[in-house]
Amino acid sequence: GAVVSQHPSWVICKSGTSVKIECRSLDFQATTMFWYRQFPKQSLMLMATSNEGSKATYEQGVEKDKFLINHASLTLSTLTVTSAHPEDSSFYICSAKLGQPQHFGDGTRLSIL
Amino acid sequence: QKEVEQDPGPLSVPEGAIVSLNCTYSNSAFQYFMWYRQYSRKGPELLMYTYSSGNKEDGRFTAQVDKSSKYISLFIRDSQPSDSATYLCAMSAYAGNNRKLIWGLGTSLAVNP
Repeated sequence: GAVVSQHPSWVICKSGTSVKIECRSLDFQATTMFWYRQFPKQSLMLMATSNEGSKATYEQGVEKDKFLINHASLTLSTLTVTSAHPEDSSFYICSAKLGQPQHFGDGTRLSIL
Repeated sequence: QKEVEQDPGPLSVPEGAIVSLNCTYSNSAFQYFMWYRQYSRKGPELLMYTYSSGNKEDGRFTAQVDKSSKYISLFIRDSQPSDSATYLCAMSAYAGNNRKLIWGLGTSLAVNP
């Protein structure tokens, strides 16, 4: 089956730090990847759609200068949370498409102190 | 009214029971329907994917789509404690690479030994 790897799985850092999260499709090429944010006991909230070789498309209300997305190759997309603050603490999940359904990574738990 | 409605539960059943999980939706254009399972602090795992109406079976899992009623179901037979998780329905109208999924809130299921 389609495997999506996300790294790191857990990050704790000080306020003001920038944090980079990697999302890789291990056994297939993904022209499109998605980044989600999930709060406890809530569903997934789409942040942005990442297309290889072009700028990401951000959802309304998501600050593109705060959440930098780079999709430099068909197997790698990165999300950088710049100058992170405690309110950015959340569970971030990426997904990649193989055919129709999306396949998800295991998520990154980000805790900003 | 949300586009996709899903009872968050929690739903608690004894081991071996048949579990029925449901979502209703309002957009008659939805054609692609998915069920994901999410364990605590993990990314969603694709369980079932169906296109248009009808039934689909995979092991202990059966997905049903009734487009006339705008209603989808996931049945789990012979439920096991390892099935304890949150089950999310997701759907979309289009097949394009950038198509967004519309998510239910997720139903929390506990299968008791």
